[in-house]
Formats: sequence, C-alpha cells, structure tokens
Amino acid sequence: NAGVTQTPKFQVLKTGQSMTLQCAQDMNHEYMSWYRQDPGMGLRLIHYSVGAGITDQGEVPNGYNVSRSTTEDFPLRLLSAAPSQTSVYFCASSYSAARGYNGYTFGSGTRLTVV
Amino acid sequence: AQSVSQHNHHVILSEAASLELGCNYSYGGTVNLFWYVQYPGQHLQLLLKYFSGDPLVKGIKGFEAEFIKSKFSFNLRKPSVQWSDTAEYFCAVNAQGTYKYIFGTGTRLKVLA
Repeated sequence: NAGVTQTPKFQVLKTGQSMTLQCAQDMNHEYMSWYRQDPGMGLRLIHYSVGAGITDQGEVPNGYNVSRSTTEDFPLRLLSAAPSQTSVYFCASSYSAARGYNGYTFGSGTRLTVV
Repeated sequence: AQSVSQHNHHVILSEAASLELGCNYSYGGTVNLFWYVQYPGQHLQLLLKYFSGDPLVKGIKGFEAEFIKSKFSFNLRKPSVQWSDTAEYFCAVNAQGTYKYIFGTGTRLKVLA
C-alpha cells in the first residue's frame, strides 16, 4: 500500500545510546518532515527536507540529525539519547507546490522511551 | 513568529450533540489551514484543508470548517457527533511557500454513547 512507513513502531533506549528511526515513502513526494508529539504540546517540527540532498532544521532540532540521500528515505538519527527525547515520532511527506501540494501524509509513528 | 492556538483542550459531548472546536492562528501573510484527527493509538489523518476560495470547506465524516480571515480563525464543526468521533483533533497552519506545519496543542474530544 502506498504511504509513509516508519520503523520501528516501539523502541526502548538507554541514556547515551544512539539509534536511527527509519522513514520511507513510495509516493514520490519531495517534501519530508519529522515531528515529535508530546502531551499538551501538540506536534513540533524537528527537521525537514524539500528534496534529496536538502535538509533544514525545524523548531526542536537539537540532539537529532537527518540526511536525505534518496527521494524515498528520510532517516532520523538520535546521536546520544536522553530521557527528554522520550516521545512519539512521526514522519510525514507531501508533494511540492509545483506538483500539487495538498498537505502532508503521516506515518504511523515510533514510540520511543529513553531510560 | 507563527503560532496556533486551540483553546479547548478537552471537550466532552453526548452523541448527537453539535461540535465546534476553535482554532486561531497568528501570522500576517497568506496561509494554508488544516485539521487533522488522531484516533487512539493511530497516526494523524487529514480531515479537511483550506488553501483558497470558498471559506467554508467540507471534509470527511461530516466535518466542516470555516475560515474567517478577519478573525484569523479556522473553527471545526460537526452538526451531530458520534461515539466514533472520540479522538484528538489538531489544527495546523503553514505559511504559503514554506510547507512547514505549525500545530496547535490539540483538543481531546470524548463522545459519550
């Protein structure tokens, strides 16, 4: 099925560990973003990309790295996990304006706990 | 800086009651507006969107929203809610040309059967 696929769905990390959250889309979308969702705070933008090879920071980028080597994939790396990074992470993608931007499609999320 | 306010954090309604959830944004330029719904344990799904044209937009599942530019508002409405509408609702805004969403903090709706 076409859409945004995130793996893993659940993850527990120890403080200081690193890991990569995977995100892939098969809709040939140019734009991809990572959000974190915390209770009472809505969703906040971590990093985004407007195309392969182009990334930029969102509201809360500290502690996270991204890269976009292909149109399909947009992994999010936690360099040294901290308890403050316990959250639910959502990846989203969309077309560019030139190809009919119509809002973002979201993945099913990764629930991360850092102990 | 852009911001989005959802003033109702928790709403409890009985089935068949009417719903209106408020959303106000702060931005001086042209915006695109969205409402998303998140059912328990699931990802966000697009309910409806406004880009331009008729300020009254209709979405899925009987939801509609009205863009009032002078009030910087995009309130979500449904004439008669169902138990299955129990979910969290998020308003989102992006300035045209930026494609970065700013989300409100969400409204948790509970519909009593």
